[in-house]
Amino acid sequence: DAGVIQSPRHEVTEMGQEVTLRCKPISGHNSLFWYRQTMMRGLELLIYFNNNVPIDDSGMPEDRFSAKMPNASFSTLKIQPSEPRDSAVYFCASSLPSGSSLGDTQYFGPGTRLTVL
Amino acid sequence: GNSVTQMEGPVTLSEEAFLTINCTYTATGYPSLFWYVQYPGEGLQLLLKATKADDKGSNKGFEATYRKETTSFHLEKGSVQVSDSAVYFCALRRTGNQFYFGTGTSLTVIP
Repeated sequence: DAGVIQSPRHEVTEMGQEVTLRCKPISGHNSLFWYRQTMMRGLELLIYFNNNVPIDDSGMPEDRFSAKMPNASFSTLKIQPSEPRDSAVYFCASSLPSGSSLGDTQYFGPGTRLTVL
Repeated sequence: GNSVTQMEGPVTLSEEAFLTINCTYTATGYPSLFWYVQYPGEGLQLLLKATKADDKGSNKGFEATYRKETTSFHLEKGSVQVSDSAVYFCALRRTGNQFYFGTGTSLTVIP
């Protein structure tokens, strides 16, 4: 049973380049979350979707960041242009509907380690 | 608002020592409470959870009891192993599906 899938696992890019991170949630999960983890700031929620609709994007750092969820099985997080301070591990997580008995557990992907030079 | 405060790390223990990682929360109503664990190079994994007051979550020898009167959800294990070395996150879920995570506590267990 596949968990949350993220790609790439590692990304090294140069400042100014566009970066696209990808996530495939667990089948049947209707909520999807993007987090960023750094030593300085810990785990930060960037944005989350319910039924492919963005619900709260208040954690998105600035206009350089954008996220989409075109369908229930795919989401992207894009950074354009990237900056060295964007270097972090980016996690995607998914969960079942909040009303279900298991809907209160988030399942995390393995993360994408982004390095911007 | 909703928030989680957990003890600062890092924590270093000898194998077979007793572990406590403190977690307190602020929330309106009745949140669900969680402990997640992150092993090096991996994503967060659910360790245990409790959904109402006085519930005890347990898994792999770890336990935590939902204490509404003290708004706490402390993680305990009676005898830690080297393989328990990881970062532990306390979290709460209030309404909807949004989670609030603590800052994480790094645990190192030495043989």
